[in-house]
Amino acid sequence: QVQLVESGGGVVQPGRSLRLSCAASGFSFNKYGMYWVRQAPGKGLEWVAVIWHDGSNKYYADSVKGRFTIARDNSKNILYLQMNSLRVRDTAVYYCARGLAVYDILTGTDYWGQGTLVTVSS
Amino acid sequence: QSVLTQPPSTSGTPGQRVTISCSGGRSNIGNNYVTWYQQLPGTAPKLLIYDNDQRPSGVPDRFSGSKSGTSASLAISGLRSEDESDYYCASWDDNLSGHLFGGGTKLTVL
Repeated sequence: QVQLVESGGGVVQPGRSLRLSCAASGFSFNKYGMYWVRQAPGKGLEWVAVIWHDGSNKYYADSVKGRFTIARDNSKNILYLQMNSLRVRDTAVYYCARGLAVYDILTGTDYWGQGTLVTVSS
Repeated sequence: QSVLTQPPSTSGTPGQRVTISCSGGRSNIGNNYVTWYQQLPGTAPKLLIYDNDQRPSGVPDRFSGSKSGTSASLAISGLRSEDESDYYCASWDDNLSGHLFGGGTKLTVL
């Protein structure tokens, strides 16, 4: 069955960096676009970034552009989110999610991980 | 403020039918598919509807989706207490080259 397991969250000071990982299993990872979505405490869902199945294209929310980098290692079935210059407002649960259809990032997501909490605080 | 607009809350009684609206524009809902998610407290979102009106296997047929122009709706019939949850719509936006979520609607079953 499809499994997505995030890791790497924690408490970090403003301005510092953190790298999140999402280990995927149960499907052909190299055929699906992958997303990062976050949810601040008590708030709604916010799309962060998406990467094509082969890593050739990446798109970012304006709120993280220039600070966050999405990447993937298809040989290890792992999705990454490198977060630099973190701000207090980046505090959220970060979810990775699989694209709905193979070779497509436009139609949304189906499976989600359980999320990992990132707290940015001094 | 989300580009996809949902009512913050709605409510219904058991057995009732409720609808949740999601209003967007030509660059998102008007030109792309809409998905709907259910998020129970403390859990990850769960896919309810994809491609505007398709249900994944395992989702009861009490849940249905529709789209018209730049708006979409989620309908829940035969409301049950376990439907009490947050619901989000989502769509790709061609202008932003990004995925958008609505602000979410909290459904209360009275």
